[in-house]
Amino acid sequence: SQQGEEDPQALSIQEGENATMNCSYKTSINNLQWYRQNSGRGLVHLILIRSNEREKHSGRLRVTLDTSKKSSSLLITASRAADTASYFCATEREGAQKLVFGQGTRLTINP
Amino acid sequence: DAGITQSPRYKITETGRQVTLMCHQTWSHSYMFWYRQDLGHGLRLIYYSAAADITDKGEVPDGYVVSRSKTENFPLTLESATRSQTSVYFCASSEQGGTEAFFGQGTRLTVV
Repeated sequence: SQQGEEDPQALSIQEGENATMNCSYKTSINNLQWYRQNSGRGLVHLILIRSNEREKHSGRLRVTLDTSKKSSSLLITASRAADTASYFCATEREGAQKLVFGQGTRLTINP
Repeated sequence: DAGITQSPRYKITETGRQVTLMCHQTWSHSYMFWYRQDLGHGLRLIYYSAAADITDKGEVPDGYVVSRSKTENFPLTLESATRSQTSVYFCASSEQGGTEAFFGQGTRLTVV
C-alpha cells in the first residue's frame, strides 16, 4: 500500500502565485523527500527533510514536516510556468532502506 | 556519460513473451530500484538491491525477476508478460537506501 498520500491530486494556479502541496504518511520515518516529474520524464529530487527537522528551504521551495501529525507540506513561492509538473513525496520508513512514493500532485501554472 | 540510463525507452511485446528492461548507472551507487508508474497508483516499488548479488522484493514483485551480478547493472525481466504489466518502468539508484534517488528516463512498456 502507498505510504504517502498527496493532497490535492491536482492544483491549477496563476503564474506568480504560491503553490502548496501536502503529503500524509502512516508510519514512523527517517526522512521525507519531494520529487518533481515533468511530463514524460524521470523524477528529479528536490529536497530531503529528516525526521528531526521541522522546516527546510531551498531556493523558492519551503518544506515543513510535522511528525506528530505524520504530514509534510511543500510550498513553491512565486510560481513560474516551468514549475508545471507532478510533485511526489517519498518516505524512508524507519528500518527500511528504500523509498515509498505517494500518488503525486499535478501542478499547472497558468501564464 | 555519467548518470543512469534505461533501455529500451519504448517496447511493445506480446502476451506470454519474456522481456528484459536494462538499467545501468555510472556512480557506483550501492542501491538500485525498479518502480512502475501507473495512473492512479503513483510509483510502486517492484524490486530493489542493496549491493551486487543482494536483491529484495518491493510492493509488487509478482511476475518479475531481477538480478545484480555487477554493481552498475540491474536488469528487470518479465518472464511471461501480461497486459497488466503495461506500464512505465523507472530505474533509480542511490548511495544508501533512503537517501536521494536518481532516476532514469523510464521505459514505456506495452503488452498486447
